[in-house]
Amino acid sequence: DSGVTQTPKHLITATGQRVTLRCSPRSGDLSVYWYQQSLDQGLQFLIQYYNGEERAKGNILERFSAQQFPDLHSELNLSSLELGDSALYFCASSGIAGFTDTQYFGPGTRLTVL
Amino acid sequence: AQTVTQSQPEMSVQEAETVTLSCTYDTSESDYYLFWYKQPPSRQMILVIRQEAYKQQNATENRFSVNFQKAAKSFSLKISDSQLGDAAMYFCAYRKIAAGNKLTFGGGTRVLVKP
Repeated sequence: DSGVTQTPKHLITATGQRVTLRCSPRSGDLSVYWYQQSLDQGLQFLIQYYNGEERAKGNILERFSAQQFPDLHSELNLSSLELGDSALYFCASSGIAGFTDTQYFGPGTRLTVL
Repeated sequence: AQTVTQSQPEMSVQEAETVTLSCTYDTSESDYYLFWYKQPPSRQMILVIRQEAYKQQNATENRFSVNFQKAAKSFSLKISDSQLGDAAMYFCAYRKIAAGNKLTFGGGTRVLVKP
C-alpha cells in the first residue's frame, strides 16, 4: 500500500458526460501528479499540483481540468467524454522537498466511456 | 524532449532464473533520476528501484539490481532468482532532477515467469 488513495476504483459512463476523479496523497506529501494510461498512448503525464498551485502541465486536453484543495487532496475533472478517454487514471504524490522525492502511485481509477 | 525506450515487449524467464530488461533514454541533462516500476495484474504501479545519475554505483534492492551506463544512456534491470510474483509489466521511467518534475515512461516490458 503506497498510502495514496483514489476513488472511485471503476467508473462507467457515457459519451458527452462529465466525471470527477479524486485523489488523496500520502500524509505530508504536497505534490500531486495525474497520469493517464491507455493502450495506444501508454503512460502519459497530465498535470501536477504543488501545495494547491498548478506546477506543470503535460498532454492534458482542454476538456480536462484539475485542482488541489487546501487539505491537499486533488480532483481531476473530465468533461464532454469521448470513447478515447477510456483509460486508467493514476494519481501519484511526492514529498515536500520535491527535488529528490520519488513519486508513489495510487491504485488508479479505471474509466470506461460507452 | 526526453524519451525512454524499452525495446523488449515481452520477456520470459524460468522460475529461479535471471532475466534482464533493457531500457535506453535520451536526454541532454547531466543530472536526473531513473526508475523501474512494476505493474502487476492488479494494475497498481509499484516502485522497484531508483538510480541517481550522479552516483556511479549501481542501485540494488534485494533480488533487483540495475546496470546503469550513463555514457551509453542505458539502464537495465536484472531480476535474480525470479519468482512467480515477479510476473508483471515493468516500466522504465526518467525524471529530471529539478523539483517536482514529471516522470517520462517507456512503453513497458511484460515479464512472464514459468514455473
